[in-house]
Formats: sequence, structure tokens, C-alpha cells
Amino acid sequence: GNSVTQMEGPVTLSEEAFLTINCTYTATGYPSLFWYVQYPGEGLQLLLKATKADDKGSNKGFEATYRKETTSFHLEKGSVQVSDSAVYFCALADSGGGADGLTFGKGTHLIIQP
Amino acid sequence: DTAVSQTPKYLVTQMGNDKSIKCEQNLGHDTMYWYKQDSKKFLKIMFSYNNKELIINETVPNRFSPKSPDKAHLNLHINSLELGDSAVYFCASSPRDYYEQYFGPGTRLTVT
Repeated sequence: GNSVTQMEGPVTLSEEAFLTINCTYTATGYPSLFWYVQYPGEGLQLLLKATKADDKGSNKGFEATYRKETTSFHLEKGSVQVSDSAVYFCALADSGGGADGLTFGKGTHLIIQP
Repeated sequence: DTAVSQTPKYLVTQMGNDKSIKCEQNLGHDTMYWYKQDSKKFLKIMFSYNNKELIINETVPNRFSPKSPDKAHLNLHINSLELGDSAVYFCASSPRDYYEQYFGPGTRLTVT
């Protein structure tokens, strides 16, 4: 079956540091890949996505590249802010169809200190 | 302007009770979902539903049942609540043939 593995954290960084959150996946088909962010007490928000190999998703200074050869979709940001503190989820959707739902990683709790 | 909404936001109830959580989306999406997030933040799909098909995760107890009065609503009914049902429940929706999903704010269920 499908699975997503990501570092669980917490990951603690200082403001303006470089961020990498690793994500690797296992899927039977050609999945679409996503990063979602969950701020404290809120629901999940789509941060970025990539639907095929070598696609780069980007939003709000965050980037992730779909690497089929390494089955990875690592999240990066060049300079983090305190407001980036949240839980980040890597997820995939199987190419078989959206009705199967998303398979999520366990989430990475990111803490940015001033 | 809320895209996906859920009520209530908090639900505290006793074991053995029956409760419902409501979900509505105004995005015109065809497919809706329910997810359960446990105390460790792990998210797992419970149901997905479109106009024609209900897909149930095999690990979900049959005490849980989705009900869709129309395309914009997917409610979650839970019978005979147990302590282990305590979690945050998220509703989500997605357009047909697309994969990104839009989530509601969540309902924190506490069973005492």
C-alpha cells in the first residue's frame, strides 16, 4: 500500500535559518504529492503541490521538488519566520483517483524561535 | 466565505451516547471526506463520498456512518461512543478528477 515517511520533530530553528523537512513516499502508481500546514487550533491548509516527476511546487517562500528517482518531496525554505511555526504534513494521492483520499505522513512540528 | 465548515467545533459527551458532526462545503466540489486525527497528530482517512460511491476505510468501526443529504453536505454520525473515539475529526472536499483537498477547521470530540 501507499505510505509517507517524514521526520517527526519537533524541529527547532532560529528565525532566518534555512529549513528542510524530509519526506519520502511509497506508492504503486504515479501519485500527486502535497505539503499541508496546520497552525495551532486550525485545520489543514494546502501549502504546495506537484503532480508529476520533476515538478516544483512553491508558495509563501516554501518549495518542494517531486523526485521520482529518490521517491522524495522535501520541503525547503530559505529563511524561516516565527509565523512559520506549525505542523507540516507531507501527503500523497494515488493516481487511481481522488476518491481514495490522501495518505499522510505523521507530521513534523516546526518551532521557530526569535 | 468559509469554504468548508464544520459544526460543532468542540463536542464533549459521555460514553455510550450517539452524536453527529455536520460538514458543509460551498466550493461546488463533488467529493467529500472525513478524516480522524489522533492525539499524536496522525491523520487517517475514514470515508470518501461522491454522488455515486461511498468508500469506507476498512479499519473504521461500523458505529461510524456518513450521511449525505445533498452534494454540499456530509455529516458524520457516531453511535455508542467510546473513549477511544476522542480525537479531532476533519471534513474535506475536492473537485472531481483533482487531488488537492480543502479541509474544514476540525471538530474536537472528547468522550468522558
